[in-house]
Amino acid sequence: RKEVEQDPGPFNVPEGATVAFNCTYSNSASQSFFWYRQDCRKEPKLLMSVYSSGNEDGRFTAQLNRASQYISLLIRDSKLSDSATYLCVVNRGGGYQKVTFGTGTKLQVIP
Amino acid sequence: SQTIHQWPATLVQPVGSPLSLECTVEGTSNPNLYWYRQAAGRGLQLLFYSVGIGQISSEVPQNLSASRPQDRQFILSSKKLLLSDSGFYLCAWRGGAAEAFFGQGTRLTVV
Repeated sequence: RKEVEQDPGPFNVPEGATVAFNCTYSNSASQSFFWYRQDCRKEPKLLMSVYSSGNEDGRFTAQLNRASQYISLLIRDSKLSDSATYLCVVNRGGGYQKVTFGTGTKLQVIP
Repeated sequence: SQTIHQWPATLVQPVGSPLSLECTVEGTSNPNLYWYRQAAGRGLQLLFYSVGIGQISSEVPQNLSASRPQDRQFILSSKKLLLSDSGFYLCAWRGGAAEAFFGQGTRLTVV
């Protein structure tokens, strides 16, 4: 089983729609979680951290479910500019330095 | 503030030629440094990471090697490139916080 798994998509949604992505991880000792955004042919950029209590940044909400070992990203009121690939990241922490990325979920927001 | 520089941005190399990609970080000390490769339409594959000068961990056996001659310098090398080495190479750093930050990447085409 892969350490981090994501549905590759693509998710094609109309402008204004709400869309959600999940990302599952295999190591229950994982300690920190992030969502990154990657535009075509560009480097990934940090979108938001994922906290145990859940966190929100404008139209974006991230949640962590430790019992089921997944994180989620919810995007409300989708904009054309949200079209990108969204990567989840899982760190084991505790001195273990490896940073593992999911393969990404592609989102296409349609006019 | 911290910045990461990676060069060159694009590179076309013949099969069998050597490779040297350089990454430097400014504005931080003793960062963890990472090299990733992303094949077209695929996720990020961790190649190497380093927690200090001269300390290199290899994730995938391959035709590449990495070195960290200085605290904020990370170099990816190959003695003889293969066609399968083509891809988007990304350097990243991580400091005290858990999230990683990426350079702009090098798009390598082996012909």
